[in-house]
Amino acid sequence: DIQMTQSPSSLSASVGDRVTVTCRASQTISSSLNWYQHKPGKAPKLLIYATSSLRSGVPSRFSGSGSGTDFTLTISSLQPEDFATYCCQQSYSVPYTFGQGTKLEIK
Amino acid sequence: QVQLVQSGAEVKKPGASVKVSCKASGYTFISYQIHWVRQAPGQGLEWMGIINPSGGSTSYAQKFQGRVTMTRETPTSTVYMELSSLRSEDTAVYYCAREAVATGVFDCWGQGTLVTVSS
Repeated sequence: DIQMTQSPSSLSASVGDRVTVTCRASQTISSSLNWYQHKPGKAPKLLIYATSSLRSGVPSRFSGSGSGTDFTLTISSLQPEDFATYCCQQSYSVPYTFGQGTKLEIK
Repeated sequence: QVQLVQSGAEVKKPGASVKVSCKASGYTFISYQIHWVRQAPGQGLEWMGIINPSGGSTSYAQKFQGRVTMTRETPTSTVYMELSSLRSEDTAVYYCAREAVATGVFDCWGQGTLVTVSS
């Protein structure tokens, strides 16, 4: 199975900050990397697919980059509604696997 | 709009089974595969398996082989996930998620079903 490692596991930031979350795969996954936002008691929401494609309706302050084994999610200017847990997922091969999540908290 | 609505929370004793439903609406049910993913307390998301509503074919994560069964009921656009021989480590929120066609990307998720396993 492909292991996905996210860092950091938690992050404190302020509204307006630029933040970056990293996801590393245990083997190459080409560009098959997706990012989800997960808030407590809610269903996860797809933000970015195929490394850098922004899902329709997702604000442009979210962006993704990377290839091979190393990927990043960047939020250019944090908004109050962005405080949540962010999770990466590889869709390169079954079993699809997820990172452990990065909890973004208000500083 | 596309929606997946899951059944309500369950409390089960160790050794019992649980069956969670996921009712789809807003799209052609048989055209999209459905995955099941769970999240135990304090843990990340864990993929359990997939069902193709068109023919009913399934594929399960090795960890759950022999304990999980995924089925579908086409007339009601509902998929089911049954997990047997429950143990305390199965306490988790269980999600169904729709896969965008042939991409492995989960573009719509159910609201989650909390399954608590406790004696």
